[in-house]
Amino acid sequence: EVQLVESGGGVVKPGGSLRLSCAVSGFNFNDFSINWVRQAPGKGLEWVSSISGSSTYIFYADSVKGRFTISRDNAKQSVYLQMHSLRGDDTALYYCARTISVPGTDAFDLWGQGTMVTVSS
Amino acid sequence: QSVLTQPPSASGTPGQRVTISCSGSSSNIGSRTVDWYQQLPGTAPKYLIYSNNQRPSGVPDRFSGSKSGTSASLAISGLQSEDEGDYYCATWDDSLKGVVFGGGTKLTVL
Repeated sequence: EVQLVESGGGVVKPGGSLRLSCAVSGFNFNDFSINWVRQAPGKGLEWVSSISGSSTYIFYADSVKGRFTISRDNAKQSVYLQMHSLRGDDTALYYCARTISVPGTDAFDLWGQGTMVTVSS
Repeated sequence: QSVLTQPPSASGTPGQRVTISCSGSSSNIGSRTVDWYQQLPGTAPKYLIYSNNQRPSGVPDRFSGSKSGTSASLAISGLQSEDEGDYYCATWDDSLKGVVFGGGTKLTVL
């Protein structure tokens, strides 16, 4: 089955760290860029970071640059988001999403169900 | 404040046609293709339109997308109650070097 499954969310104190994982199955993982997209409670979608299939291209939203690090292990078919210096506005449901393999677009054609991160003292 | 501007809400009665706009700039919509996502209550987003006007397999042809200059639109014809949810536009921004989303439009079927 083609799917993305996130894990690693939880409650963390401000200033703390957390590592999210996105386990992939059902498609040739190495061929696709993977992204993290978050959604604060009751709010809209915010793209967080992306990593290309070979990890050559990595991008971050300004809001997380310097605090979050994206990585992938193609042998384990997993993508990770290491989060440091967490703040209250990082509280959100974090989705991983696959970038479609179509030239000229960065659409996300496959999404996981999300893992919740709550930053609270 | 989102880089892409969408109306916060839209509504229509069953069978009607509604459109949702998405306004950007030369560094995003003006130079890139636009994608649309549907998020039904309590579910993960689902891609609805990609590359301005392409429908993925399984998406009904009631949904259509268009782009002109620095703006894009999503049209839904033959509105159905199950279309109620949030709709987001998105594209790559060359200045920010990242994907940007609109703030989302909550569609209500009256």
